Amino acid sequence: GNSVTQMEGPVTLSEEAFLTINCTYTATGYPSLFWYVQYPGEGLQLLLKATKADDKGSNKGFEATYRKETTSFHLEKGSVQVSDSAVYFCALREEGYGQNFVFGPGTRLSVLP
Amino acid sequence: SQTIHQWPATLVQPVGSPLSLECTVEGTSNPNLYWYRQAAGRGLQLLFYSVGIGQISSEVPQNLSASRPQDRQFILSSKKLLLSDSGFYLCAWSSRGKTQYFGPGTRLLVL
Repeated sequence: GNSVTQMEGPVTLSEEAFLTINCTYTATGYPSLFWYVQYPGEGLQLLLKATKADDKGSNKGFEATYRKETTSFHLEKGSVQVSDSAVYFCALREEGYGQNFVFGPGTRLSVLP
Repeated sequence: SQTIHQWPATLVQPVGSPLSLECTVEGTSNPNLYWYRQAAGRGLQLLFYSVGIGQISSEVPQNLSASRPQDRQFILSSKKLLLSDSGFYLCAWSSRGKTQYFGPGTRLLVL
């Protein structure tokens, strides 16, 4: 079946550091790829998405590029802030009935001032 | 615009008691609806999804059940809660082939 693997962390960075959270996937066909963010005590919010190979999703300084050749969708940000501390989930949307999402285990990011 | 509501926000229940969590969506019609559980410090587990009224698909065997009595209402139930049912329950919706949007979640503690 389809699956998503991501570094589980926790990841601890200093403010203004560069962030990379790796995400790789296994899927049949051509899934859409997503990054969601979950702040403490809240539900998940869509951060960015990409629907086809070589697409780059971006939002709030975060970027991720859909790499079909390496089946990856790594999340990057050039300069993190304390307010970016959260759990980040990589996900794919399956094709077919229900078009369910498959989520990675999440990566907890802590940014220190 | 579309919004998704879940209630209650927090619930403490004794083992063996029943459960009913409700999720409603506004501003859209015929959405796909989903229930997820997130155990403490862990990822998301898809429990149920529905593509229409009365149509429920279960992803994992367990003592929970789901129902969709109306187009934009999705209910998660249990007749007898277990300790292992504690967690953060998230409802989500999507239009066909579109992004999934999540509700604020219900934190359930079974004692």
